[in-house]
Amino acid sequence: DSGVTQTPKHLITATGQRVTLRCSPRSGDLSVYWYQQSLDQGLQFLIQYYNGEERAKGNILERFSAQQFPDLHSELNLSSLELGDSALYFCASSVGGRGAGETQYFGPGTRLLVL
Amino acid sequence: AQKITQTQPGMFVQEKEAVTLDCTYDTSDPSYGLFWYKQPSSGEMIFLIYQGSYDQQNATEGRYSLNFQKARKSANLVISASQLGDSAMYFCAMREGFQGAQKLVFGQGTRLTINP
Repeated sequence: DSGVTQTPKHLITATGQRVTLRCSPRSGDLSVYWYQQSLDQGLQFLIQYYNGEERAKGNILERFSAQQFPDLHSELNLSSLELGDSALYFCASSVGGRGAGETQYFGPGTRLLVL
Repeated sequence: AQKITQTQPGMFVQEKEAVTLDCTYDTSDPSYGLFWYKQPSSGEMIFLIYQGSYDQQNATEGRYSLNFQKARKSANLVISASQLGDSAMYFCAMREGFQGAQKLVFGQGTRLTINP
């Protein structure tokens, strides 16, 4: 158990809908990252938050948004869902601010299926 | 440009044998970190081992060791005395520098199957 929690574990929804994925980082971690894992794209970085502020953006679609709350939990909002958004979405957390050597610990993931 | 390359899509190994999973990387940043993660069929990503670019010695964690060859830009994972529970996808990842995006860049992964 990494200490990172994600809810829900599974999500089935229809095209055009909107969903919210939730993540609680490890105790003491200030940085939260979101990654998407799909068969065709592999594991891709979406976005990073550090202590409530957006730190970096990766290949995140405009239909997707995220935020980190004062209690450091984070939510990833996916809207106008398309079939191609079906994927495993990971949240990871790290202490924050220690550079390249900082280990990111991953949550169990949310498996999203868009029908 | 591909920053992390894992050239072995799949590997099959007999139980109790040692196995080496290959990973090469590309970066111009002198400060970087290299990571290996294991993803079993259940889907979670499990951190295995870390090697820093300035580390003089190869990292070891139990049965896992990292064969770090900086000049060749390779960071191969060695699993000694493989077990059936080692069957999983293995991902090599890199994180660059102290500034900018603190993201991990992953390779495509290697599926390791341990045969009894």
